[in-house]
Amino acid sequence: DAGVIQSPRHEVTEMGQEVTLRCKPISGHDYLFWYRQTMMRGLELLIYFNNNVPIDDSGMPEDRFSAKMPNASFSTLKIQPSEPRDSAVYFCASTPREAGGNTEAFFGQGTRLTVV
Amino acid sequence: AQSVAQPEDQVNVAEGNPLTVKCTYSVSGNPYLFWYVQYPNRGLQFLLKYITGDNLVKGSYGFEAEFNKSQTSFHLKKPSALVSDSALYFCAVRDIRGSQGNLIFGKGTKLSVKP
Repeated sequence: DAGVIQSPRHEVTEMGQEVTLRCKPISGHDYLFWYRQTMMRGLELLIYFNNNVPIDDSGMPEDRFSAKMPNASFSTLKIQPSEPRDSAVYFCASTPREAGGNTEAFFGQGTRLTVV
Repeated sequence: AQSVAQPEDQVNVAEGNPLTVKCTYSVSGNPYLFWYVQYPNRGLQFLLKYITGDNLVKGSYGFEAEFNKSQTSFHLKKPSALVSDSALYFCAVRDIRGSQGNLIFGKGTKLSVKP
């Protein structure tokens, strides 16, 4: 398996524009997570899905952020409109389903977003 | 609330010396604990985990970690550091309130190994 695949790797956009980040989880993994990494706040969980259904979106900073998972092999994180403070590295991760939550998460390479 | 703390922003070690990266946690039940490493411009890579059993857990690249329930710690260790170990290290605890639960990460510790 190629692992978790994210695209694009880098995105530079102007303030006010819509940004869409994409993620393909590892085949057979039932859980998908979106994280944001910044120097100031470290790694923050934004939202996670189980079997394509959003379970916890309490980390989504505001209504400008939305995430979807239309099928088991694809998820998007959208920011509309984007702002300079959204600049960060966004990671997608997936895990297989095992009872008790003792499985590690597999991370993608991340998307470095710069909003100017 | 479940949380994890990494008290050191940076750890400096000479090559060949032992290294320790500290982590303490707070959970309501039994913890599931993880260590990840992040190299520059890369995603996080899994190193090792503690679920149950032996308190000393061995992982990738010669790393190990010791679970100490009384001190609520899960320090990462390596007997002899390499320059190539220089990276950002994250400790994480599983939040099991949900059906699977997300990983809660510490702020990270930058490890610098000098030749």
